[in-house]
Amino acid sequence: SQTIHQWPATLVQPVGSPLSLECTVEGTSNPNLYWYRQAAGRGLQLLFYSVGIGQISSEVPQNLSASRPQDRQFILSSKKLLLSDSGFYLCAWSPQGQPQHFGDGTRLSIL
Amino acid sequence: QQQVKQSPQSLIVQKGGISIINCAYENTAFDYFPWYQQFPGKGPALLIAIRPDVSEKKEGRFTISFNKSAKQFSLHIMDSQPGDSATYFCAASMGSSNTGKLIFGQGTTLQVKP
Repeated sequence: SQTIHQWPATLVQPVGSPLSLECTVEGTSNPNLYWYRQAAGRGLQLLFYSVGIGQISSEVPQNLSASRPQDRQFILSSKKLLLSDSGFYLCAWSPQGQPQHFGDGTRLSIL
Repeated sequence: QQQVKQSPQSLIVQKGGISIINCAYENTAFDYFPWYQQFPGKGPALLIAIRPDVSEKKEGRFTISFNKSAKQFSLHIMDSQPGDSATYFCAASMGSSNTGKLIFGQGTTLQVKP
């Protein structure tokens, strides 16, 4: 069966520090991969998605970037974190199409 | 046109009652409509999904009703239980697209009182 892993589960970072969140999927090949951000008590905002290695589409221009160095690995990065980058970051995968399956997220706090 | 509007924002139901959450969309190209359930500190989990060729889909106590002409769909939770207390998201997608992008509603926080 397929599983998705995200780490770390929680992260506290100072303003201006770099960020790297990692997501990996097991048990499938060539998945679509997605990064979402969820602000407290709010909905899901799609940040990036990828339909293949090295193919990244950005939905919202901001202080973050994404990379897909391997088929089942998706990385969310920032060179300098802002206070507004705080939130709950979720990775998801899907076969080519639907449905999407989510990881358990990373709670990011910026101090 | 890409929005999915979800209501109510919050809902309180007595144990054993029926919880109803509604969503509306504009884009007639959407052809896949899932519902997700999210518990605090966890990622959303797929609950049930429907395609527009059927008007209703039932899985246990959860039912999706779909009205294509009105461009609306709803989630009904029968015999609601305290364990159903969570945030529910509707979503829509153009299933024919290989990107699999979902447009999410804003979520409904459900509290089931014992």
